[in-house]
Amino acid sequence: EAAVTQSPRSKVAVTGGKVTLSCHQTNNHDYMYWYRQDTGHGLRLIHYSYVADSTEKGDIPDGYKASRPSQENFSLILELASLSQTAVYFCASSVGTGGERLFFGHGTKLSVL
Amino acid sequence: QQKVQQSPESLTVSEGAMASLNCTFSDGTSDNFRWYRQHSGKGLEMLVSIFSDGEKEEGRFTAHLNRASLHVSLHIREPQPSDSAVYLCAVSMNTNAYKVIFGKGTHLHVLP
Repeated sequence: EAAVTQSPRSKVAVTGGKVTLSCHQTNNHDYMYWYRQDTGHGLRLIHYSYVADSTEKGDIPDGYKASRPSQENFSLILELASLSQTAVYFCASSVGTGGERLFFGHGTKLSVL
Repeated sequence: QQKVQQSPESLTVSEGAMASLNCTFSDGTSDNFRWYRQHSGKGLEMLVSIFSDGEKEEGRFTAHLNRASLHVSLHIREPQPSDSAVYLCAVSMNTNAYKVIFGKGTHLHVLP
């Protein structure tokens, strides 16, 4: 079974601080994604990447940066965390974008205080 | 922008009774539909995918798609308490499949 591992599982951050969420996949997938999940909203795409050293903006990229240093690793960076960024963040991977299935990590619960 | 809406928001069924969940979408050119399940505190796992009108069965899970009606549904046969979870509908187009739009989910509670 394909594996996507996120770290940390939960984090408390202070407003204005820097937060880095990490994701590692052992699926040998080219595509990786960061989603945000909030109560009352579906999953929303923040950033995605289809090759190492390149990232693309998703639907809600403001306030977030992404980094893909290798095929296996994809990070989400909040340079100046804000209260509105409190949410659960999911990393996912897929073989490609021909409608392939997404494989998700367990999520990171981020609380910004 | 594609809109994906799920109903009901919450559904309670007894163990063994059929559970039916609904999803409507706004873009009739969509051709890639998946149902995911999310147990509390866990990631999402895909249950069934469907790409053409009709039905697709994966074990106890059956998806029905009617693109003319902009509707896709999920039917769970003989649900168990372990099926209690949030069920998410995901819609995309094969030509632009990174843009997966998720519904807000249906909370399913299966009573023993």
